[in-house]
Amino acid sequence: GAVVSQHPSWVICKSGTSVKIECRSLDFQATTMFWYRQFPKQSLMLMATSNEGSKATYEQGVEKDKFLINHASLTLSTLTVTSAHPEDSSFYICSARDLGGVGMNEQFFGPGTRLTVL
Amino acid sequence: AQKVTQAQTEISVVEKEDVTLDCVYETRDTTYYLFWYKQPPSGELVFLIRRNSFDEQNEISGRYSWNFQKSTSSFNFTITASQVVDSAVYFCALSGNTDKLIFGTGTRLQVFP
Repeated sequence: GAVVSQHPSWVICKSGTSVKIECRSLDFQATTMFWYRQFPKQSLMLMATSNEGSKATYEQGVEKDKFLINHASLTLSTLTVTSAHPEDSSFYICSARDLGGVGMNEQFFGPGTRLTVL
Repeated sequence: AQKVTQAQTEISVVEKEDVTLDCVYETRDTTYYLFWYKQPPSGELVFLIRRNSFDEQNEISGRYSWNFQKSTSSFNFTITASQVVDSAVYFCALSGNTDKLIFGTGTRLQVFP
């Protein structure tokens, strides 16, 4: 149980295009999903917290107009990188917190999406 | 402010050696959770353990063991008889009242045959 999927697993795009990444909780409901970014050989940095039915909360320094987050249902959150540039190339990982689970503060992570912007 | 420090950037060992990965944390929350994750080259995070702040019992799971010491704010991870498949980046993480996970910078473990 507690499986989180991400789609696509990797994407290559041209500079200036927008890219949408989906994060789904497959076998549980998640009121809260988190988006992280990881640059090569670095740690995971939280970008934003996404709550179902409300606006995402962005961490300091993360441009909300560039990284659009939508959490339309209890099983799906999307991250759209708008007008992507090479510096946005990174590994994007989502996680979901189980609404009804007993795992306090436990987040289940997706497999990640590797974005390369040419 | 919350912070997780993993002072060891990279560790190399030969198979069958024991290795300890250090983790020191800072938090003002009285209730918090500590985690260890493994990230193999594929990139997917693998959950290893969660420990809450009220449970200082050490834990052993196969070749893995964890030593939680509130007095020194440390949550160290030991792999006994390391294997090549243990090669990965290991992250220690902290979560408090806000539910946000704060990750350490990670320790890259290389186990050579």
